[in-house]
Amino acid sequence: EIVLTQSPGTLSLSPGERATLSCRASQSVSSSYLAWYQQKPGQAPRLLIYGASSRATGIPDRFSGSGSGTDFTLTISRLEPEDFAVYYCQQYGSSLTFGQGTKLEIK
Amino acid sequence: EVQLVQSGAEVKKPGESLKISCKGSGYSFTSYWIGWVRQMPGKGLEWMGIIYPGDSDTRYSPSFQGQVTISADKSISTAYLQWSSLKASDTAMYYCARHLSSGWILDAFDIWGQGTMVTVSS
Repeated sequence: EIVLTQSPGTLSLSPGERATLSCRASQSVSSSYLAWYQQKPGQAPRLLIYGASSRATGIPDRFSGSGSGTDFTLTISRLEPEDFAVYYCQQYGSSLTFGQGTKLEIK
Repeated sequence: EVQLVQSGAEVKKPGESLKISCKGSGYSFTSYWIGWVRQMPGKGLEWMGIIYPGDSDTRYSPSFQGQVTISADKSISTAYLQWSSLKASDTAMYYCARHLSSGWILDAFDIWGQGTMVTVSS
């Protein structure tokens, strides 16, 4: 099973700043089958990025994904108040697994 | 509108059985894999398994194999998650979610249900 490790566990930033979230896999994720989700309290997760770098429908272009192999990154270029949430990565190249999440909180 | 609507919250006692549902609408229900994801209180997301409603092909995460049963009734566009004997440790929010691409067995989840909270307590 591929284990995904997200860092940092918590990221404290201010609106307008740039956020960089990391997801590292225990082995290479085939064909960059890596997704990112946003989850706000009391809500279901929302797909942001799939295929490591493709934005899902309706996702603002301040969200971008990059990476390949074992190292992937979600970047939020300029934080909006509504972006403060928990973010999960998921690999679907070999079975399906989720990372443990990164909480993005207001500084 | 493409959506998944889940059944309501449940409160059960240890040892009881339970079946929760997830009804799809606005798309071809038989053409997309549907998955179930567990989220224990204050914790992260765990993939439980998936089903292809077109032929009921089902795959389970090793962590959940034998612990739950996933099924579907394509005639009413509904997927199910069931337990034969609940434990307190089954207390969690359970989400159903649809795969992004038609027919792909391994995929991201683009459409999510609203979640069903299951509470198991004596």
